[in-house]
Amino acid sequence: DTEVTQTPKHLVMGMTNKKSLKCEQHMGHRAMYWYKQKAKKPPELMFVYSYEKLSINESVPSRFSPECPNSSLLNLHLHALQPEDSALYLCASSQDTDRGLYNEQFFGPGTRLTVL
Amino acid sequence: SQQGEEDPQALSIQEGENATMNCSYKTSINNLQWYRQNSGRGLVHLILIRSNEREKHSGRLRVTLDTSKKSSSLLITASRAADTASYFCATPGGSNYKLTFGKGTLLTVNP
Repeated sequence: DTEVTQTPKHLVMGMTNKKSLKCEQHMGHRAMYWYKQKAKKPPELMFVYSYEKLSINESVPSRFSPECPNSSLLNLHLHALQPEDSALYLCASSQDTDRGLYNEQFFGPGTRLTVL
Repeated sequence: SQQGEEDPQALSIQEGENATMNCSYKTSINNLQWYRQNSGRGLVHLILIRSNEREKHSGRLRVTLDTSKKSSSLLITASRAADTASYFCATPGGSNYKLTFGKGTLLTVNP
């Protein structure tokens, strides 16, 4: 299984809502990532987990809260978002050899988030 | 910060023609990767070239790397309509695990 799955595919939420994005992989990868991508822009890294521990936080606002319950799952909890947070949220995973330096990343299809 | 910069930003060709995209980067790298993204979907890894390699092939893809010029090119030969997508170069940047993506080239292959 070489697939990264993400749910939901689409999400519309108000600024006072709390929602979660989910990501799952069964490739035995020990590094998992969240990216944010605005239209016609490249993906921007948000968080990296390595062996279920937060390795990188790219100064993301606290209204985004990541969680890695186990080696296969990655969540992104959303609370009090702003309309400008509307974007495609991509999850990715990779093996953990060479501390990620030469690893290709496998991406999920993304969650299209709209904040009203 | 942006590491890779692709050009052209957009490229439109006819099916069967070759497509060449270029990527320039600013700092020393261990490797450079190319990814494809179909409209509104996830990215797909195409090829990784290490800093000690000058050229690499994968099917209809040919990637070159010139570390002296800090540039890479992606050539797609005999293009197909299904090759229509955005293509991004990506380089390790700042810390392990971190990939920084270039702005991308939007390739349109007309049937």
